[in-house]
Amino acid sequence: DVKVTQSSRYLVKRTGEKVFLECVQDMDHENMFWYRQDPGLGLRLIYFSYDVKMKEKGDIPEGYSVSREKKERFSLILESASTNQTSMYLCASSPLGLAPADTQYFGPGTRLTVL
Amino acid sequence: QKEVEQDPGPLSVPEGAIVSLNCTYSNSAFQYFMWYRQYSRKGPELLMYTYSSGNKEDGRFTAQVDKSSKYISLFIRDSQPSDSATYLCAMSPSTAGNKLTFGGGTRVLVKP
Repeated sequence: DVKVTQSSRYLVKRTGEKVFLECVQDMDHENMFWYRQDPGLGLRLIYFSYDVKMKEKGDIPEGYSVSREKKERFSLILESASTNQTSMYLCASSPLGLAPADTQYFGPGTRLTVL
Repeated sequence: QKEVEQDPGPLSVPEGAIVSLNCTYSNSAFQYFMWYRQYSRKGPELLMYTYSSGNKEDGRFTAQVDKSSKYISLFIRDSQPSDSATYLCAMSPSTAGNKLTFGGGTRVLVKP
């Protein structure tokens, strides 16, 4: 069974703090993704990575950065947290496959509140 | 305008009813279509996927794709209270990189 874990379920931070969200997958997947989920807006892609040390911007990368030093771990960094970054953050992984079934497996999410 | 539109609901139905969900999209390049189910305080999990147009059935679930109308549907027969969740459609032009575009999700409540 694919397992994607995220370091925290709930996190409360103050405006201006540097925030690290960690994600680990145990299935040797090449691709990893960070999304944020807001009511009515669905999941929006922040960054993704298709290999160690590789990263690509998603649809809403502003205010975020990422790090992937090991294949199983993908970190999302909020350099200076702001209140509009209060959201649910979801990490996902997928194999670098060619079959339609090679879809994304999600972690449980981190609900971040920035005060 | 969003690339993928989905009615947010909530959609409330009695147990045993058919649940009908749909998404419309604007990008004609989408070829892979997925439905994810998300329970409260959990991450989404893949329910069904289809490629191009046509129908796919899996137990009580049927997914339909009409590429000419840019419209996809998910039907849940004999709905159960355990089907209460948010259902998200997602789509991709290809599997390369597995980049998905999601709809906003429809919240479904099945009442016993």
